[in-house]
Amino acid sequence: RKEVEQDPGPFNVPEGATVAFNCTYSNSASQSFFWYRQDCRKEPKLLMSVYSSGNEDGRFTAQLNRASQYISLLIRDSKLSDSATYLCVVNQGYSTLTFGKGTMLLVSP
Amino acid sequence: EAGVTQFPSHSVIEKGQTVTLRCDPISGHDNLYWYRRVMGKEIKFLLHFVKESKQDESGMPNNRFLAERTGGTYSTLKVQPAELEDSGVYFCANAGSGRYNEQFFGPGTRLTVL
Repeated sequence: RKEVEQDPGPFNVPEGATVAFNCTYSNSASQSFFWYRQDCRKEPKLLMSVYSSGNEDGRFTAQLNRASQYISLLIRDSKLSDSATYLCVVNQGYSTLTFGKGTMLLVSP
Repeated sequence: EAGVTQFPSHSVIEKGQTVTLRCDPISGHDNLYWYRRVMGKEIKFLLHFVKESKQDESGMPNNRFLAERTGGTYSTLKVQPAELEDSGVYFCANAGSGRYNEQFFGPGTRLTVL
């Protein structure tokens, strides 16, 4: 079983749609969780940290379920500029990050 | 504040040659990480420096890879001799000051070994 698993997609959605990505992680001792965004041939950029109580940043909402070892990202009112690969990332407590392979999102006009 | 920079942006070398990648972290940041993404795979951790010391090098693939961070400033990652499977994108990252150890990545070096 991979340490961090994501559906690779692609998710094809029209502008204005709501889309949700899920991620599961295998190490129950994992301590912090993130969503990064990566554009084609670019570096990963931090989108948001995921807090235990869940958190929201504008159109983006992240949820964490420690019991199920599951993280989600919800994007509302999708924009063309949201097209990218979304990486689920876990810190297992040793300061290094463990990445999923990413979920590709394509937002069309 | 300037971000993490990496040099070169691209490198194409032949199998058996040596390549040195450089990372200049954000000034004053003690923690520096190297990661790599090979084609079709997820980004994977290589090693972690705290200042000039290697805190964790458990992700280094083999002894053909040598990382240094003299003086705790910039870091280099040397591959000698390079093999075909070393091709990929090498990222360097700094940790932010947040409690969750958010990390901020440089633009990466795309290495192609022919």
